[in-house]
Amino acid sequence: QITLKESGPTLVKPTQTLTLTCTFSGFSLSTSGVGVAWIRQPPGKALEWLALIYWNDDKRYSPSLKSRLTITKDTSKNQVVLTMTNMDPVDTATYYCAHNKFDYWGQGTLVTVSS
Amino acid sequence: DVVMTQSPLSLPVTLGQPASISCRSSQSLVYSDGNTYLNWLQQRPGQSPRRLIYKVSKRDSGVPDRFSGSGSGTDFTLKISRVEAEDVGVYYCMQGTHWPLTFGGGTKVEIK
Repeated sequence: QITLKESGPTLVKPTQTLTLTCTFSGFSLSTSGVGVAWIRQPPGKALEWLALIYWNDDKRYSPSLKSRLTITKDTSKNQVVLTMTNMDPVDTATYYCAHNKFDYWGQGTLVTVSS
Repeated sequence: DVVMTQSPLSLPVTLGQPASISCRSSQSLVYSDGNTYLNWLQQRPGQSPRRLIYKVSKRDSGVPDRFSGSGSGTDFTLKISRVEAEDVGVYYCMQGTHWPLTFGGGTKVEIK
């Protein structure tokens, strides 16, 4: 059974750095072809893909956010970490992690950016 | 970036009636391996997205057969043969062929 769960702060201040952790089970990031993605969804708006990391440490980023994003993995802990720098109120959203086939998603975590 | 354009934005449907959602991509979604990586996702109110359809027409396990996907190249369709109350939510198409991965703007299905 595959599960993913996001964790991190619910409130960050403008200009701060956001660090989110995706902890998963039921698959391994050491398996060929496997990856974990991050997606966000502002309140009432559409989904937006942010980043994806593969088993071989290949990393892909949304071009519009690439300068602010870093995705890393800890295979032994079954975790993927996303950091986003220089947070702004427009970054307020529910942040999801998902298996790279998008067949399994976490429950999401709402991050609010406000002073 | 590949732009995914969905229509309609909102789709009021009578229970038991069919529904159809269109998704058009700004570029062909046929990958070099011959596959077309077009997914349909359902997001019920207050829930995480759920994949219904992958590679245009392959239904995920547990997805009712009233859902079907079709299309090719740049034009794709999700059909619900008979809408049920549990189908209320927002439906998204997303492409996995080109980087960056992109989603459509969503179609809200509601009961009349």
